[in-house]
Amino acid sequence: NAGVTQTPKFQVLKTGQSMTLQCAQDMNHNSMYWYRQDPGMGLRLIYYSASEGTTDKGEVPNGYNVSRLNKREFSLRLESAAPSQTSVYFCASSARDNSGNTIYFGEGSWLTVV
Amino acid sequence: GNSVTQMEGPVTLSEEAFLTINCTYTATGYPSLFWYVQYPGEGLQLLLKATKADDKGSNKGFEATYRKETTSFHLEKGSVQVSDSAVYFCARRNGQNFVFGPGTRLSVLP
Repeated sequence: NAGVTQTPKFQVLKTGQSMTLQCAQDMNHNSMYWYRQDPGMGLRLIYYSASEGTTDKGEVPNGYNVSRLNKREFSLRLESAAPSQTSVYFCASSARDNSGNTIYFGEGSWLTVV
Repeated sequence: GNSVTQMEGPVTLSEEAFLTINCTYTATGYPSLFWYVQYPGEGLQLLLKATKADDKGSNKGFEATYRKETTSFHLEKGSVQVSDSAVYFCARRNGQNFVFGPGTRLSVLP
């Protein structure tokens, strides 16, 4: 019953360090997403991947890169972390749009950049 | 454009009070509409959904009706419990994209 699994759950980085958030889903979904959640801002889409081999920018892509490694895995990389990237990051996945297929979220990764 | 607007929070209610959280959307066509709930320290979970006009989604005593004429999908519950304290997000889906409202924090006091 894993669903969407993301790691790490907590991370503290120094400004300028790099890191990769890992995400995997076991529901055979085509689409995967990375969101960030900040107080008062709701959820904002960073990048998404509609299918294996494709990625597209969302609302706030600057400072991030993504890799759709295979159908199951979608990673988010911060090349040079900045304090403005302190946030809670959520990976999500969904099946194709058919009769209201929903989106499933991981439990979140709390990132602090100091 | 395509957006989702929901009432500003926080909302504080006493146990057994009636709850309404308003949600309106703009979109082309007829998107699927959703309500998600987020408990502290967790990701968002689907609460209910509706896929066409006049559909009513319901779950755990919560209901919302897809109103095409007013482009609304308001969340209601007749008698809230302390365990309903969470953040609630309205969302719509067009194709592969989901658009979320800003969230409404609900606190239910015993």
